[in-house]
Amino acid sequence: ELKVEQNPLFLSMQEGKNYTIYCNYSTTSDRLYWYRQDPGKSLESLFVLLSNGAVKQEGRLMASLDTKARLSTLHITAAVHDLSATYFCAVDRVKEYGNKLVFGAGTILRVKS
Amino acid sequence: DTEVTQTPKHLVMGMTNKKSLKCEQHMGHRAMYWYKQKAKKPPELMFVYSYEKLSINESVPSRFSPECPNSSLLNLHLHALQPEDSALYLCASSPKEYTRNSPLHFGNGTRLTVT
Repeated sequence: ELKVEQNPLFLSMQEGKNYTIYCNYSTTSDRLYWYRQDPGKSLESLFVLLSNGAVKQEGRLMASLDTKARLSTLHITAAVHDLSATYFCAVDRVKEYGNKLVFGAGTILRVKS
Repeated sequence: DTEVTQTPKHLVMGMTNKKSLKCEQHMGHRAMYWYKQKAKKPPELMFVYSYEKLSINESVPSRFSPECPNSSLLNLHLHALQPEDSALYLCASSPKEYTRNSPLHFGNGTRLTVT
């Protein structure tokens, strides 16, 4: 059974600081996704990581994937208040199929002024 | 704005009621999904439809009945629900079931309360 673990589950950080969210998964997969969810809202796709060593960046967020370690990271650079949200990583459950995602528990990020 | 539209946004129903959740997308996607999300928890997959056929049922109780009338529409029929079924129900779509490069596109969800 595929398990996806995120840590930390809650992150309170000051504006301007850097931090990293970690996502570990238990079985082989080469597809990992990061989503953002604002309170009461839907999920917004941030990154799709499809191969070992993949790195993608958008603004102050950068995601990477190490399939050998079964680890993805979401790095936040110089945090701003607008980044406050819940961040989920998600992994495809079965390699032959797409989009049957198993989500991590989510990391609640609060950026303080 | 999301390209996957869900109605209603909020629904309150009693345990003896029958209601339906609706989901619509016009992106030409051929795979559609229902997820359930409890408060402060991640989404959990319920059903997957691929080319209008039920592809996956994640052992969901029969009081939830999905329907895919055509490639753009996905319904979730609700009957005899329990209070613990209260949650945010998210619909999502993707170009097709086996889509390596495309993430799911989620709707804004229906917040369901069962009284």
